[in-house]
Amino acid sequence: DAGVIQSPRHEVTEMGQEVTLRCKPISGHNSLFWYRQTMMRGLELLIYFNNNVPIDDSGMPEDRFSAKMPNASFSTLKIQPSEPRDSAVYFCASSLGASKPQHFGDGTRLSIL
Amino acid sequence: DQQVKQNSPSLSVQEGRISILNCDYTNSMFDYFLWYKKYPAEGPTFLISISSIKDKNEDGRFTVFLNKSAKHLSLHIVPSQPGDSAVYFCAASVGGSEKLVFGKGTKLTVNP
Repeated sequence: DAGVIQSPRHEVTEMGQEVTLRCKPISGHNSLFWYRQTMMRGLELLIYFNNNVPIDDSGMPEDRFSAKMPNASFSTLKIQPSEPRDSAVYFCASSLGASKPQHFGDGTRLSIL
Repeated sequence: DQQVKQNSPSLSVQEGRISILNCDYTNSMFDYFLWYKKYPAEGPTFLISISSIKDKNEDGRFTVFLNKSAKHLSLHIVPSQPGDSAVYFCAASVGGSEKLVFGKGTKLTVNP
C-alpha cells in the first residue's frame, strides 16, 4: 500500500519567492497533518484537517503560511513570501482519527537562500 | 514550555543488549502515548502506542511502559539490533484530540 506521498523532496529557492509543498495522504485516512522540524524547536504541528476541514491552525507561524485541502487525496502548504528562517523539513502525516497513529511522509527539505 | 521531554539526546548500546529510552511529560491530561522511529532522510515511522488505561504494551522486541504517577514512559528494545539505530521520538495527546506533542528525540546507536 502506498504511504503518504510528499513532493518535492527538496526545494531550494530565494527569499521572497512563493513555495508550495504538496501531500497525498493514505487512501481512507480522514485526518491530515502538516509538521515542521527544526533543530531548535523539534517537530511541531502547524495545522491539521479532518474530513478536508481545517480543525486547528494554531501552529501556523504567521500569515505568510497557508494550507488547503481541496479534496480527500490532496493538500498543499504554501509560504508566500518565503524567508530564510522558514528553512526546515516539512512533514505531512495522515491518520484514521483520534487515538490512532499518524503515518508520515518522507518530508520536504526546504532551503530559503 | 516543553510538555514532552526526552532528556537523553543520545544512547549507545551493544548489539543483543537492552535499549531503554525514556520520556517524561508534564501535562496530566495526556492519555495516549506513542513512540516513533526515524531514519535519516525519512519520515518518522510509528512503532508502538499505549493508552493511559494500561501500564504496559508489547509488540515483539518492543515494550512500552507507562508510569502515570511519575508522568514517565519508557521504550524497551530487547534484544537490540544494529538496524534499530535511529532517532526515537515519544509523542503524546489529550483524549479525543488528534494533536500530538513530540519530544525532541533520542538518537540510539546499536554497535555490532
